[in-house]
Amino acid sequence: GENVEQHPSTLSVQEGDSAVIKCTYSDSASNYFPWYKQELGKGPQLIIDIRSNVGEKKDQRIAVTLNKTAKHFSLHITETQPEDSAVYFCAASSGSGYSTLTFGKGTMLLVSP
Amino acid sequence: EAEVAQSPRYKITEKSQAVAFWCDPISGHATLYWYRQILGQGPELLVQFQDESVVDDSQLPKDRFSAERLKGVDSTLKIQPAELGDSAMYLCASSFDGELFFGEGSRLTVL
Repeated sequence: GENVEQHPSTLSVQEGDSAVIKCTYSDSASNYFPWYKQELGKGPQLIIDIRSNVGEKKDQRIAVTLNKTAKHFSLHITETQPEDSAVYFCAASSGSGYSTLTFGKGTMLLVSP
Repeated sequence: EAEVAQSPRYKITEKSQAVAFWCDPISGHATLYWYRQILGQGPELLVQFQDESVVDDSQLPKDRFSAERLKGVDSTLKIQPAELGDSAMYLCASSFDGELFFGEGSRLTVL
């Protein structure tokens, strides 16, 4: 089955800095790569996703890049704000209707004012 | 905005007792998932439904866990008997076209 590795496990940045979280996956058949943000005591919330037919996707301060050859994808947050502090999870799946998401172990991002 | 509804939000029980969690997915979402999230880790799939049928329950501890989605809409996850190691967040999600939407989760504490 799919295996997703995520790094780093914790990341501390100053407000305004950029943050980068990286994930690798094992199953070359995977073609859907979402990122979730989870605040304390809440369920994960989808913030951005990318499918294997594109290499990069951007939504305001958030961007995701995908390298299918190397089987890794990354989340980039620019101009970080304290409200970006949360746990971020990457995931991978085959993206079909019956697909199952496999999650990484998460990155705790702390943005200090 | 459509949401995945879960209840209860919090449940404290003693080991060997039975517990049940309920999930109402976003209307029109045929695929429903139950995930378990242990503190400090990512969600792990327990069971996946397509309409009322189980698609994947390979990681569900079937000696004590059961899940049903009788009419293909809402779903119930049951644990009987609960063990100390079952303490976790139980997350329900529903999907359309592979994009998962999670509920707020049910936090279980087994004493």
